[in-house]
Amino acid sequence: QSALTQPASVSGSPGQSITISCTGTSSDVGSYNLVSWYQQHPGKAPKLMIYEGSKRPSGVSNRFSGSKSGNTASLTISGLQAEDEADYYCCSYAGSSTTWVFGGGTKLTVL
Amino acid sequence: QITLKESGPTLVKPTQTLTLTCTFSGFSLSTSGVGVGWIRQPPGKALEWLALIYWDDDKRYSPSLKSRLTITKDTSKNQVVLTMTNMDPVDTATYYCAHHDYGDYVFDYWGQGTLVTVSS
Repeated sequence: QSALTQPASVSGSPGQSITISCTGTSSDVGSYNLVSWYQQHPGKAPKLMIYEGSKRPSGVSNRFSGSKSGNTASLTISGLQAEDEADYYCCSYAGSSTTWVFGGGTKLTVL
Repeated sequence: QITLKESGPTLVKPTQTLTLTCTFSGFSLSTSGVGVGWIRQPPGKALEWLALIYWDDDKRYSPSLKSRLTITKDTSKNQVVLTMTNMDPVDTATYYCAHHDYGDYVFDYWGQGTLVTVSS
């Protein structure tokens, strides 16, 4: 069982927007604005899409955005494209003892 | 350009010790604010953080696996080594190493991963 809870799957049509939630606790997501999001295509390594909750690395489309409310972080993808179909994982800093925790992953299907 | 690559055995027997090496380029582990971490992913399952070593040799481990893990660095060779003792079939996974930015608290560059199967 993963430390952070994500929906197993979400879907949307091209051009639509979707949001993936990532629920933790007051010991991780709720305590730190240090959630990152990763995109993983089949057979590939994870790719960083969002860090520190809402920052985008250079080269990542501005269709990807992140936010947080309480113990839940969210990734929103607007203007869905076929290439967005992938697994998405959230990750949060959880303090110096536990350090890093990942979510269970969400499979995004573009219909 | 930052790149990382994992290497090690593809098959280990139960109870054996796994040793994986991460060889990287484009950064130095002697630079302040830099770290290298290990993350694994069982087939069809989620990512799991394992360990992290910082430029100053500070080391962090997953609490659930701490007793089995050791992470070390060789700055001169640009390598980080992870050892995991007492391997079990449930440890079958793709093991990734990743560059860690201490300032942004993020694993921003990942290796391609290496699949390790635990079987007799």
